[in-house]
Amino acid sequence: GIQVEQSPPDLILQEGANSTLRCNFSDSVNNLQWFHQNPWGQLINLFYIPSGTKQNGRLSATTVATERYSLLYISSSQTTDSGVYFCAASLLTSGSRLTFGEGTQLTVNP
Amino acid sequence: EAGVVQSPRYKIIEKKQPVAFWCNPISGHNTLYWYLQNLGQGPELLIRYENEEAVDDSQLPKDRFSAERLKGVDSTLKIQPAELGDSAVYLCASSSDRDEQYFGPGTRLTVT
Repeated sequence: GIQVEQSPPDLILQEGANSTLRCNFSDSVNNLQWFHQNPWGQLINLFYIPSGTKQNGRLSATTVATERYSLLYISSSQTTDSGVYFCAASLLTSGSRLTFGEGTQLTVNP
Repeated sequence: EAGVVQSPRYKIIEKKQPVAFWCNPISGHNTLYWYLQNLGQGPELLIRYENEEAVDDSQLPKDRFSAERLKGVDSTLKIQPAELGDSAVYLCASSSDRDEQYFGPGTRLTVT
C-alpha cells in the first residue's frame, strides 16, 4: 500500500511566525487531505487537495502530484494553531482508504 | 449542516466485556468508514461501507470485531470480548462516494 511520511515530527514556534509542513507519499494518489487534530481529538478538515494549490485564510496548501509531495503553509501562527497536523492519502486502486502519516506536533507559544 | 455524530464519547469497560459504538454520518453521504487511532499515531482504517455493503474490511479483526450498516445510514461497531489492547479512539467518517472524508469526534475506549 501507499506510504505517507510527514516532516518535521515536532515544531515549536513563537506566535506570529510562519511554518511549512511537508508530506511525502510513495505512489500516485486520488485523494490527499490535510487535517488538524485539536486537543480534544477532533479531526478538522483543512484541505482536500489531490493536486494544485488552495488557500484558506492564513493557511494554504500545495500538492505536486507528479513529484509525490504536499506542503501545508501556516502564516502568522496563533496559539490556537497548536495541535497535531495530519496528512492522509489514498490510492485509486485502494478505493478511498486513507493512509495517514505520523503527524506533525505543532506548539505555538505566546 | 450537522457533522458526523458518534456515541458514546467515552467508554470504560472491563476486559472480556462487550462494547458497541454508534455512528450517524452526514446526511446524503453514502460511504461510511470506521478508523482506529492509537495514542500518538494516525488513524487506521478498520472497515469501509458503500451504502449497506462492506467493501473494505481487510483490517478488521473479525474474531472479535463486527460492524453493520443497516439501511445504508447509521452504523454500529462492536467488540466482543474486549481486550486491554483495544483501548484506543474509534473514529467514524463519511464521504459522498470517494470524495473528501469528514470525521466525527470519536469514542475513547478504555479497557481495564
